[in-house]
Amino acid sequence: GDSVTQMEGPVTLSEEAFLTINCTYTATGYPSLFWYVQYPGEGLQLLLKATKADDKGSNKGFEATYRKETTSFHLEKGSVQVSDSAVYFCALNRQAGTALIFGKGTTLSVSS
Amino acid sequence: GAVVSQHPSRVICKSGTSVKIECRSLDFQATTMFWYRQFPKKSLMLMATSNEGSKATYEQGVEKDKFLINHASLTLSTLTVTSAHPEDSSFYICSASKTTGSSYEQYFGPGTRLTVT
Repeated sequence: GDSVTQMEGPVTLSEEAFLTINCTYTATGYPSLFWYVQYPGEGLQLLLKATKADDKGSNKGFEATYRKETTSFHLEKGSVQVSDSAVYFCALNRQAGTALIFGKGTTLSVSS
Repeated sequence: GAVVSQHPSRVICKSGTSVKIECRSLDFQATTMFWYRQFPKKSLMLMATSNEGSKATYEQGVEKDKFLINHASLTLSTLTVTSAHPEDSSFYICSASKTTGSSYEQYFGPGTRLTVT
């Protein structure tokens, strides 16, 4: 079945460091790919998405490119801030109207 | 924007009682809503898919008689945890799907922290 694998972390960085959180997926066809962020005590917020191969999603300095050949959707940010500390979830959706399939989440902790 | 609310945000109940959690899409109609349970190690488990006007579709291993889901309107789905036990304590999150033209997204509620004592 469809699945998402992401590095579990925790990832601990200093402010202004470069961030990469790896995400790979297994799915038939061409799923849509997402990154969600969850701040402490809150629900999930959509961070960015890509719906087809080679698409790049971007938001708030974060980027991820849909790589069909490597079945990956790695999240990157050039310079993290303390306020980026949160849990990040990679997810896929194979068909509109169906539930998202999530990775296990990666905790990011940024210190000043 | 697309806003999904959940109520209550936190609830503490005694073992054996029932608790109802509401999920509302505030500014759009959602024919499909989803209920997830988030475990302490962060992973989200899909519990069920709720379609307006029809019975919910439960994932394997989720007790439909224990977790009652009702989707009575295009903006409201409810999850009732019946005869709650301490092992039901968890963070429950709903999401609502929105389709605009060819764009499809899910919007998540802020979650409900259930503690069963």
